[in-house]
Amino acid sequence: DAGITQSPRHKVTETGTPVTLRCHQTENHRYMYWYRQDPGHGLRLIHYSYGVKDTDKGEVSDGYSVSRSKTEDFLLTLESATSSQTSVYFCAIRGSDEQFFGPGTRLTVL
Amino acid sequence: AQKVTQAQTEISVVEKEDVTLDCVYETRDTTYYLFWYKQPPSGELVFLIRRNSFDEQNEISGRYSWNFQKSTSSFNFTITASQVVDSAVYFCALSGRNNNDMRFGAGTRLTVKP
Repeated sequence: DAGITQSPRHKVTETGTPVTLRCHQTENHRYMYWYRQDPGHGLRLIHYSYGVKDTDKGEVSDGYSVSRSKTEDFLLTLESATSSQTSVYFCAIRGSDEQFFGPGTRLTVL
Repeated sequence: AQKVTQAQTEISVVEKEDVTLDCVYETRDTTYYLFWYKQPPSGELVFLIRRNSFDEQNEISGRYSWNFQKSTSSFNFTITASQVVDSAVYFCALSGRNNNDMRFGAGTRLTVKP
């Protein structure tokens, strides 16, 4: 157990509304990541963070923003949700070299 | 660009059979990392193994074994004497030198029937 929690675990929202997903870790890891999982695509990196206030884009960053004001929290925001953002979102932290994942958040955008 | 291909979308075997999950990767990096993760029906992602590009030794962990061959850019995963609990989606992944750009394959869904 890598001490990663995600909230909420499930969310249904409507197109055009803002949504924020939270990832919380208890082990003071420097690197944190947000992925989305879609059928046929595996997991794809959205954004990652390498320290407080230090973030960078991943493969599928359009339509998403992130913030990290504390080591333990990494927030993913959809400013105006679209149906194409319906997905399962995973947060991860990096241990020595491998990444450990949170339980996931299932987001449905109607 | 980095890419991981898991050509087997779904595999079904009967318990106690051996099964190999294929993973082929593409990268221009000379230093890179390869991973396997398991996603059981409950949905969490479970780390199985990490291999760096300088270590081509095969690894065995219980019923699991991994065959890393740089010559064919492959990192295949074999489960010996499969069990129903092995039923899951298995992902192969690749990251470059900075280890922040992990690319996953599309996954292979393994079903082990009793």
